[in-house]
Amino acid sequence: GNSVTQMEGPVTLSEEAFLTINCTYTATGYPSLFWYVQYPGEGLQLLLKATKADDKGSNKGFEATYRKETTSFHLEKGSVQVSDSAVYFCALSDQTGANNLFFGTGTRLTVIP
Amino acid sequence: DAGVIQSPRHEVTEMGQEVTLRCKPISGHDYLFWYRQTMMRGLELLIYFNNNVPIDDSGMPEDRFSAKMPNASFSTLKIQPSEPRDSAVYFCASSRTEGNTIYFGEGSWLTVV
Repeated sequence: GNSVTQMEGPVTLSEEAFLTINCTYTATGYPSLFWYVQYPGEGLQLLLKATKADDKGSNKGFEATYRKETTSFHLEKGSVQVSDSAVYFCALSDQTGANNLFFGTGTRLTVIP
Repeated sequence: DAGVIQSPRHEVTEMGQEVTLRCKPISGHDYLFWYRQTMMRGLELLIYFNNNVPIDDSGMPEDRFSAKMPNASFSTLKIQPSEPRDSAVYFCASSRTEGNTIYFGEGSWLTVV
């Protein structure tokens, strides 16, 4: 079946620190992989995605590379800001046409000045 | 382009009352999803539609929950009667068949007292 395992939170970092949030997946076939972000009091926003192996998704300084050999899609950012404080969700799409998403449990990031 | 539009954004209701949540998907999208988010269970898919037809409602928790999509631009999620354990954020989302990105609304924050 399809599932996503995400790094447990919460994560607290100082401003300008390096961020890694681990995500691994189990899937049949060749899923697309996503990172969504949820800022306090808001809905989920697509942060980045990758649709095939070795693709790198990037947005707002965040990056994640689709690693088929390790079934991973770790989120990274070189220098976090206070405004990056949010909950980050890793997800995969089962590519059955419905594009239904399977979400990880979310990782709460707090960046302190 | 307008995103997924949900209403109400916030609702507080008494136990036993009927609750109706509304969603307008992105124009041209043929898939519509309803998700529920709680602290205990994270993000759960309740039901999804394709071309206004319910495809998978296995995530609907019980008969008190029902969802309809009378046309391509409108869907409702109804809870009758509501219970305190239904308190959650309910997200509507939509996508296109040929795309593989699901776009979320800002959510309806429901509190049942």
